[in-house]
Amino acid sequence: AQSVTQPDIHITVSEGASLELRCNYSYGATPYLFWYVQSPGQGLQLLLKYFSGDTLVQGIKGFEAEFKRSQSSFNLRKPSVHWSDAAEYFCAVGTGGGFKTIFGAGTRLFVKA
Amino acid sequence: EADIYQTPRYLVIGTGKKITLECSQTMGHDKMYWYQQDPGMELHLIHYSYGVNSTEKGDLSSESTVSRIRTEHFPLTLESARPSHTSQYLCASSDSGGELFFGEGSRLTVL
Repeated sequence: AQSVTQPDIHITVSEGASLELRCNYSYGATPYLFWYVQSPGQGLQLLLKYFSGDTLVQGIKGFEAEFKRSQSSFNLRKPSVHWSDAAEYFCAVGTGGGFKTIFGAGTRLFVKA
Repeated sequence: EADIYQTPRYLVIGTGKKITLECSQTMGHDKMYWYQQDPGMELHLIHYSYGVNSTEKGDLSSESTVSRIRTEHFPLTLESARPSHTSQYLCASSDSGGELFFGEGSRLTVL
């Protein structure tokens, strides 16, 4: 069965430090992979997506993610975190002919001054 | 900026009441979805639709029902709310590229 695992429930980083959020997926075929961000009281917003091609994808707000098929991973990175990046981050995989999306449990990012 | 709207944003009701959560999108997307989200948990798909008059149950069993009479409108109904229905409900639509566009959510509390 398809699944998405985000091993870290929450992460705290200092403002200006680098960030890496981990994501592992289980899917039989070539996955469609996504990272979404959710600010408090808001819906989810797409940060970036991978369908095919270059395994390093760039997204909005300075985020990037790298698809590693051998590790079944799609980790999200940012070189320098800003206080406004504090939010919940969800990794997701698109699956099925009708394009249903399965989400991980999310990683909450705290940014300290 | 996504054009998908949910009402109400917050709702507190008593057990046994009937409620309808509204969801509308102005992007012309055929695919629409309802997800249920509890704190610290992943989003669970409870209903989806691939177009008018098409509705399917998602991976998480839900006592709610949905309808899709118009492309832009995808309401969710609970005939008799219970405390176990307390949760946040997120509506979304998707384009041909698979990206989901979410509303801001409806937070339901059943007393």
